Amino acid sequence: AQKITQTQPGMFVQEKEAVTLDCTYDTSDQSYGLFWYKQPSSGEMIFLIYQGSYDEQNATEGRYSLNFQKARKSANLVISASQLGDSAMYFCAMREPYSSASKIIFGSGTRLSIRP
Amino acid sequence: DAGVTQSPTHLIKTRGQQVTLRCSPKSGHDTVSWYQQALGQGPQFIFQYYEEEERQRGNFPDRFSGHQFPNYSSELNVNALLLGDSALYLCASSAVLLEAGAETQYFGPGTRLLVL
Repeated sequence: AQKITQTQPGMFVQEKEAVTLDCTYDTSDQSYGLFWYKQPSSGEMIFLIYQGSYDEQNATEGRYSLNFQKARKSANLVISASQLGDSAMYFCAMREPYSSASKIIFGSGTRLSIRP
Repeated sequence: DAGVTQSPTHLIKTRGQQVTLRCSPKSGHDTVSWYQQALGQGPQFIFQYYEEEERQRGNFPDRFSGHQFPNYSSELNVNALLLGDSALYLCASSAVLLEAGAETQYFGPGTRLLVL
Protein backbone atom coordinates (compact mmCIF):
# COMPACT_ATOMS: atom_id res chain seq x y z
CA ALA A 1 0.00 0.00 0.00
CA GLN A 2 1.19 3.48 -0.80
CA LYS A 3 2.25 5.73 2.04
CA ILE A 4 3.65 9.22 2.56
CA THR A 5 5.77 10.04 5.60
CA GLN A 6 6.57 13.54 6.83
CA THR A 7 8.72 13.30 9.96
CA GLN A 8 8.82 17.00 10.86
CA PRO A 9 5.60 18.04 12.60
CA GLY A 10 6.85 21.63 12.94
CA MET A 11 9.75 23.84 11.87
CA PHE A 12 10.88 27.35 12.71
CA VAL A 13 13.03 29.23 10.18
CA GLN A 14 14.43 32.73 10.09
CA GLU A 15 13.11 34.96 7.29
CA LYS A 16 15.25 34.90 4.12
CA GLU A 17 16.82 31.56 4.99
CA ALA A 18 16.33 28.46 2.87
CA VAL A 19 14.31 25.58 4.32
CA THR A 20 13.99 21.91 3.44
CA LEU A 21 10.83 19.97 4.26
CA ASP A 22 11.31 16.22 4.31
CA CYS A 23 9.10 13.66 2.59
CA THR A 24 9.55 9.95 2.00
CA TYR A 25 7.12 7.72 0.17
CA ASP A 26 6.42 4.06 -0.31
CA THR A 27 4.92 2.51 -3.41
CA SER A 28 5.28 -0.65 -5.44
CA ASP A 29 4.27 1.06 -8.65
CA GLN A 30 6.85 2.30 -11.17
CA SER A 31 4.82 5.26 -12.38
CA TYR A 32 3.52 7.80 -9.92
CA GLY A 33 3.34 11.54 -9.30
CA LEU A 34 4.53 13.49 -6.29
CA PHE A 35 3.13 16.82 -5.13
CA TRP A 36 3.62 19.46 -2.52
CA TYR A 37 0.69 21.55 -1.35
CA LYS A 38 0.60 24.57 0.97
CA GLN A 39 -2.34 25.07 3.32
CA PRO A 40 -2.58 28.45 5.05
CA SER A 41 -4.85 28.93 8.04
CA SER A 42 -7.70 29.78 5.65
CA GLY A 43 -7.84 26.09 4.74
CA GLU A 44 -7.43 26.18 0.96
CA MET A 45 -4.95 23.63 -0.39
CA ILE A 46 -2.59 25.47 -2.76
CA PHE A 47 -0.64 23.48 -5.35
CA LEU A 48 3.09 24.26 -5.27
CA ILE A 49 5.04 21.78 -7.35
CA TYR A 50 4.78 18.44 -9.15
CA GLN A 51 7.31 15.70 -9.98
CA GLY A 52 6.57 12.71 -12.17
CA SER A 53 8.39 9.47 -11.38
CA TYR A 54 9.89 9.38 -14.88
CA ASP A 55 11.04 13.00 -14.85
CA GLU A 56 14.83 13.05 -14.87
CA GLN A 57 15.17 16.68 -13.81
CA ASN A 58 14.15 17.94 -10.40
CA ALA A 59 11.05 20.11 -10.63
CA THR A 60 11.34 23.83 -9.91
CA GLU A 61 8.66 26.53 -9.60
CA GLY A 62 10.00 29.94 -8.63
CA ARG A 63 11.34 29.72 -5.07
CA TYR A 64 10.21 26.09 -4.77
CA SER A 65 12.23 23.10 -5.87
CA LEU A 66 11.71 19.42 -5.32
CA ASN A 67 14.76 17.34 -4.45
CA PHE A 68 13.74 14.01 -5.99
CA GLN A 69 15.84 10.98 -5.03
CA LYS A 70 14.05 8.03 -6.55
CA ALA A 71 16.29 5.29 -5.16
CA ARG A 72 15.76 6.63 -1.64
CA LYS A 73 12.05 7.26 -2.30
CA SER A 74 12.53 10.79 -1.11
CA ALA A 75 10.88 13.99 -2.39
CA ASN A 76 11.96 16.90 -0.22
CA LEU A 77 10.67 20.42 -0.81
CA VAL A 78 13.21 23.23 -0.76
CA ILE A 79 12.02 26.80 -0.31
CA SER A 80 14.68 29.39 -1.04
CA ALA A 81 14.74 32.84 0.60
CA SER A 82 11.78 32.17 2.90
CA GLN A 83 9.19 34.90 3.44
CA LEU A 84 6.74 35.58 6.27
CA GLY A 85 3.91 34.56 3.94
CA ASP A 86 5.41 31.07 3.69
CA SER A 87 4.15 30.30 7.20
CA ALA A 88 1.60 27.51 6.70
CA MET A 89 1.08 23.76 6.75
CA TYR A 90 2.87 21.91 3.96
CA PHE A 91 1.70 18.55 2.69
CA CYS A 92 3.59 16.07 0.59
CA ALA A 93 1.31 13.88 -1.52
CA MET A 94 1.45 11.08 -4.05
CA ARG A 95 -0.80 9.99 -6.91
CA GLU A 96 -0.59 6.55 -8.42
CA PRO A 97 -0.83 5.12 -10.96
CA TYR A 98 0.37 7.74 -13.39
CA SER A 99 -2.93 9.34 -14.29
CA SER A 100 -4.44 12.72 -13.76
CA ALA A 101 -7.59 11.28 -12.32
CA SER A 102 -6.36 9.01 -9.56
CA LYS A 103 -6.73 9.73 -5.88
CA ILE A 104 -4.02 11.59 -4.02
CA ILE A 105 -2.60 10.30 -0.75
CA PHE A 106 -1.35 12.91 1.69
CA GLY A 107 1.22 12.88 4.45
CA SER A 108 0.49 14.25 7.90
CA GLY A 109 2.01 17.62 7.09
CA THR A 110 4.71 19.94 8.44
CA ARG A 111 3.83 23.26 10.05
CA LEU A 112 6.36 25.84 8.90
CA SER A 113 6.73 29.06 10.88
CA ILE A 114 8.89 31.89 9.54
CA ARG A 115 10.43 34.21 12.11
CA PRO A 116 10.97 37.91 11.17
CA ASP B 1 -10.52 31.71 -15.21
CA ALA B 2 -12.59 30.63 -12.20
CA GLY B 3 -10.98 28.13 -9.90
CA VAL B 4 -12.69 25.42 -7.90
CA THR B 5 -15.60 26.77 -5.88
CA GLN B 6 -17.38 25.18 -2.93
CA SER B 7 -20.49 26.01 -0.96
CA PRO B 8 -21.32 26.63 1.76
CA THR B 9 -18.12 27.82 3.45
CA HIS B 10 -19.27 26.85 6.92
CA LEU B 11 -22.03 24.61 8.21
CA ILE B 12 -23.29 23.56 11.64
CA LYS B 13 -25.44 20.44 12.01
CA THR B 14 -26.56 18.17 14.81
CA ARG B 15 -26.01 14.45 15.14
CA GLY B 16 -28.30 12.35 12.96
CA GLN B 17 -28.95 15.09 10.44
CA GLN B 18 -28.05 14.98 6.76
CA VAL B 19 -25.86 17.45 4.88
CA THR B 20 -25.16 18.28 1.24
CA LEU B 21 -21.98 20.02 0.13
CA ARG B 22 -21.47 21.42 -3.36
CA CYS B 23 -18.50 21.85 -5.67
CA SER B 24 -17.95 23.43 -9.08
CA PRO B 25 -14.76 22.34 -10.83
CA LYS B 26 -12.18 24.52 -12.49
CA SER B 27 -13.02 25.45 -16.06
CA GLY B 28 -12.03 22.65 -18.44
CA HIS B 29 -11.91 19.99 -15.72
CA ASP B 30 -14.24 16.99 -15.80
CA THR B 31 -13.20 15.00 -12.74
CA VAL B 32 -14.11 15.85 -9.16
CA SER B 33 -12.61 14.30 -6.03
CA TRP B 34 -13.73 14.80 -2.44
CA TYR B 35 -11.50 14.72 0.62
CA GLN B 36 -12.13 14.89 4.36
CA GLN B 37 -9.57 16.67 6.52
CA ALA B 38 -9.90 16.27 10.26
CA LEU B 39 -8.22 18.83 12.49
CA GLY B 40 -4.44 18.42 12.53
CA GLN B 41 -4.38 15.71 9.86
CA GLY B 42 -3.80 15.42 6.15
CA PRO B 43 -6.78 15.10 3.80
CA GLN B 44 -8.29 11.64 3.33
CA PHE B 45 -9.74 10.60 -0.03
CA ILE B 46 -13.50 9.97 0.03
CA PHE B 47 -14.37 9.34 -3.62
CA GLN B 48 -13.95 10.58 -7.16
CA TYR B 49 -16.50 11.24 -9.90
CA TYR B 50 -15.98 11.17 -13.64
CA GLU B 51 -18.65 11.08 -16.37
CA GLU B 52 -21.32 11.23 -13.64
CA GLU B 53 -20.17 7.98 -12.08
CA GLU B 54 -18.16 7.15 -8.98
CA ARG B 55 -14.90 5.74 -10.29
CA GLN B 56 -12.84 5.44 -7.10
CA ARG B 57 -13.72 5.29 -3.44
CA GLY B 58 -11.70 5.54 -0.26
CA ASN B 59 -12.36 3.85 3.06
CA PHE B 60 -15.56 5.68 3.98
CA PRO B 61 -18.94 4.20 4.96
CA ASP B 62 -22.01 4.23 2.74
CA ARG B 63 -23.32 7.22 4.70
CA PHE B 64 -21.07 9.21 2.38
CA SER B 65 -22.49 9.43 -1.12
CA GLY B 66 -22.10 11.73 -4.04
CA HIS B 67 -23.30 12.81 -7.39
CA GLN B 68 -21.89 14.47 -10.47
CA PHE B 69 -24.02 16.52 -12.83
CA PRO B 70 -23.71 16.90 -16.62
CA ASN B 71 -21.95 20.26 -16.12
CA TYR B 72 -19.30 18.39 -14.04
CA SER B 73 -20.31 20.00 -10.75
CA SER B 74 -20.66 17.63 -7.84
CA GLU B 75 -22.39 17.12 -4.51
CA LEU B 76 -21.24 15.27 -1.42
CA ASN B 77 -24.00 13.94 0.83
CA VAL B 78 -23.49 12.67 4.35
CA ASN B 79 -26.37 10.95 6.15
CA ALA B 80 -26.85 10.23 9.85
CA LEU B 81 -24.13 12.66 10.88
CA LEU B 82 -21.76 11.69 13.68
CA LEU B 83 -19.63 13.95 15.84
CA GLY B 84 -16.59 12.48 14.09
CA ASP B 85 -17.78 13.82 10.76
CA SER B 86 -16.75 17.30 11.89
CA ALA B 87 -13.98 18.28 9.46
CA LEU B 88 -12.94 20.41 6.53
CA TYR B 89 -14.33 18.91 3.32
CA LEU B 90 -12.22 19.66 0.29
CA CYS B 91 -13.18 19.29 -3.33
CA ALA B 92 -10.53 18.95 -6.03
CA SER B 93 -10.89 18.96 -9.79
CA SER B 94 -8.68 17.63 -12.56
CA ALA B 95 -8.84 16.69 -16.21
CA VAL B 96 -8.50 13.14 -17.54
CA LEU B 97 -6.58 14.17 -20.63
CA LEU B 98 -2.85 14.31 -20.03
CA GLU B 99 -1.97 17.81 -21.08
CA ALA B 100 0.03 20.61 -19.52
CA GLY B 101 -1.32 21.18 -16.03
CA ALA B 102 -3.66 18.20 -16.16
CA GLU B 103 -1.52 16.11 -13.84
CA THR B 104 -2.55 18.26 -10.91
CA GLN B 105 -5.63 18.26 -8.74
CA TYR B 106 -6.70 21.81 -7.89
CA PHE B 107 -8.50 22.29 -4.62
CA GLY B 108 -11.34 24.54 -3.59
CA PRO B 109 -11.44 26.55 -0.36
CA GLY B 110 -13.32 23.82 1.47
CA THR B 111 -16.45 23.58 3.60
CA ARG B 112 -16.01 23.51 7.36
CA LEU B 113 -18.61 21.19 8.87
CA LEU B 114 -19.26 21.14 12.60
CA VAL B 115 -21.49 18.43 14.01
CA LEU B 116 -22.89 19.10 17.49
